[in-house]
Amino acid sequence: GAVVSQHPSWVICKSGTSVKIECRSLDFQATTMFWYRQFPKQSLMLMATSNEGSKATYEQGVEKDKFLINHASLTLSTLTVTSAHPEDSSFYICSAREGGAGVGTDTQYFGPGTRLTVL
Amino acid sequence: AQSVAQPEDQVNVAEGNPLTVKCTYSVSGNPYLFWYVQYPNRGLQFLLKYITGDNLVKGSYGFEAEFNKSQTSFHLKKPSALVSDSALYFCAVRDRGYSTLTFGKGTMLLVSP
Repeated sequence: GAVVSQHPSWVICKSGTSVKIECRSLDFQATTMFWYRQFPKQSLMLMATSNEGSKATYEQGVEKDKFLINHASLTLSTLTVTSAHPEDSSFYICSAREGGAGVGTDTQYFGPGTRLTVL
Repeated sequence: AQSVAQPEDQVNVAEGNPLTVKCTYSVSGNPYLFWYVQYPNRGLQFLLKYITGDNLVKGSYGFEAEFNKSQTSFHLKKPSALVSDSALYFCAVRDRGYSTLTFGKGTMLLVSP
């Protein structure tokens, strides 16, 4: 099946610093990528959807200036958590889909996740 | 709008017994339905999906799910559970008019030896 990688798998940073998380689709071109946040023992919360070459669409309540998303190529999307604070500590998961927006049949494949801890 | 309900927080089953993880959905149109599994500190792994056609869908690791339009359900099943099946299972739906998935809250499956 399709493989999505994420790097780093875990990161610890000081409050006020920025952290970048990379998401790559390894064996397919991902026209659309998604970023999720997951709290312990809870479901996934969609943060934003990004299409290659265009600005990301953020879900309501997600600060776009804090969570910067760049989908620079068909195989790479990055999430930068700017000026991180302890409340940003979470498990961040990216997902990639081969088809474009509105294409419902294509499967979303998920990365292994990044555990962010902000001290 | 689209939504998914997984009514059970946890399902317990003995190894070798059949298992069922329940999922019901709500969409305004025709649904695309998915099941994913998540192991601790890992991302989600795709198990199977229903798009159209045969209501019984077979997926990875011996799992299958049955689409029931009248009951708006998409329960995940496996004839004989393994201890290694213990994990968190998510049902997800996408209405054909939407580009994003909506996930259920997840069901923890615990298979005892």
